[in-house]
Amino acid sequence: AQTVTQSQPEMSVQEAETVTLSCTYDTSESDYYLFWYKQPPSRQMILVIRQEAYKQQNATENRFSVNFQKAAKSFSLKISDSQLGDAAMYFCAYRSASAGTASKLTFGTGTRLQVTL
Amino acid sequence: NAGVTQTPKFQVLKTGQSMTLQCAQDMNHEYMSWYRQDPGMGLRLIHYSVGAGITDQGEVPNGYNVSRSTTEDFPLRLLSAAPSQTSVYFCASSLRVMNTEAFFGQGTRLTVV
Repeated sequence: AQTVTQSQPEMSVQEAETVTLSCTYDTSESDYYLFWYKQPPSRQMILVIRQEAYKQQNATENRFSVNFQKAAKSFSLKISDSQLGDAAMYFCAYRSASAGTASKLTFGTGTRLQVTL
Repeated sequence: NAGVTQTPKFQVLKTGQSMTLQCAQDMNHEYMSWYRQDPGMGLRLIHYSVGAGITDQGEVPNGYNVSRSTTEDFPLRLLSAAPSQTSVYFCASSLRVMNTEAFFGQGTRLTVV
């Protein structure tokens, strides 16, 4: 079974600074997808960024980028120029590419990000 | 654009009561699922469906039933509520089972007393 580990329960960053959230995962599969979801106080789950394991290039979405290290099974999220609206819980998630198990998202326990002035 | 709609947003139940959490999507998505979110545990999969008439169990299915009679709707039934089912419940849908993005409803906060 796959597992996703987020070892930082809480992080803090000053506005306009850069912060990196860590995520490691364990799998025996070679083809899969990784995601970062943001959950603000409204409770809504919002997809921040997605990475396909077969792609070597790291995904980027505006101020958000990932450092995907497949051999190390590491998938960190970098938020540049942090804004107050970035304050939220961030979840790392794994999804298999195998047809039989591709239906399940496996989530980490989350990292709560505070953004200070 | 409605997306994924969950009702109710909040609910308090007494132990032993039953209820149904509703989930509907208007995007003609093939795949739908239910998760529960508990402090310090992330989101865990309860049940999922890959299409109308097809459902299967996830990681924590005990105490819950689902059905998928239409593409749009995927209700979650609590048969006899227990305090251990106090949680936030999320419904999610994806266009297909494979690598497409999962869209989440706004969640239902359920308290069982």
